Amino acid sequence: SAVISQKPSRDICQRGTSLTIQCQVDSQVTMMFWYRQQPGQSLTLIATANQGSEATYESGFVIDKFPISRPNLTFSTLTVSNMSPEDSSIYLCSVDLGGSGNTIYFGEGSWLTVV
Amino acid sequence: AQTVTQSQPEMSVQEAETVTLSCTYDTSESDYYLFWYKQPPSRQMILVIRQEAYKQQNATENRFSVNFQKAAKSFSLKISDSQLGDAAMYFCALPDQGGSEKLVFGKGTKLTVNP
Repeated sequence: SAVISQKPSRDICQRGTSLTIQCQVDSQVTMMFWYRQQPGQSLTLIATANQGSEATYESGFVIDKFPISRPNLTFSTLTVSNMSPEDSSIYLCSVDLGGSGNTIYFGEGSWLTVV
Repeated sequence: AQTVTQSQPEMSVQEAETVTLSCTYDTSESDYYLFWYKQPPSRQMILVIRQEAYKQQNATENRFSVNFQKAAKSFSLKISDSQLGDAAMYFCALPDQGGSEKLVFGKGTKLTVNP
């Protein structure tokens, strides 16, 4: 089965800085998705990343705070900008690898702590 | 809008016993997929099992099976012969519409396996 890798797996970040998370899939996919999981919470979708077009953001998330790149069909990045302690979360990317219907897999997650 | 409800914040089971985790959902779609994900302390989201709504037969993956009741909009996960490695958060999820690859998650159930 395809592999979805994320980097970094974990990081401690200073308040006010920005960090870019990478998601690499070993097969081509049309859409990639970025989720946030705040401590003790469930997952919330941040945005959908399509190759060749701007990302589509969910309500409550904006491009200035979470800029996304999607340069090709196997790779995407999510940047968390001007971080505050409230941004301490696990960030996960997901893709649908099912050939005949939804089979949605996740990367290993990037656990960010903002101090 | 799709909603997913997991009414059991925590569950526990003795090793080798069977446990059932509950999930109810609401959707106006007639054809959709349902998912259970496992999130161990490593924080990775692992696809445990998925169910296609138009299939009446309940999905099974080794020790994991579901009880899918479409009319009742219920999708419970049964874990047989529980093992210590089954201890994790379990999330039920549903696409936000039809064949969408964007998922809506329940709040999760924390499963403890007692030796």
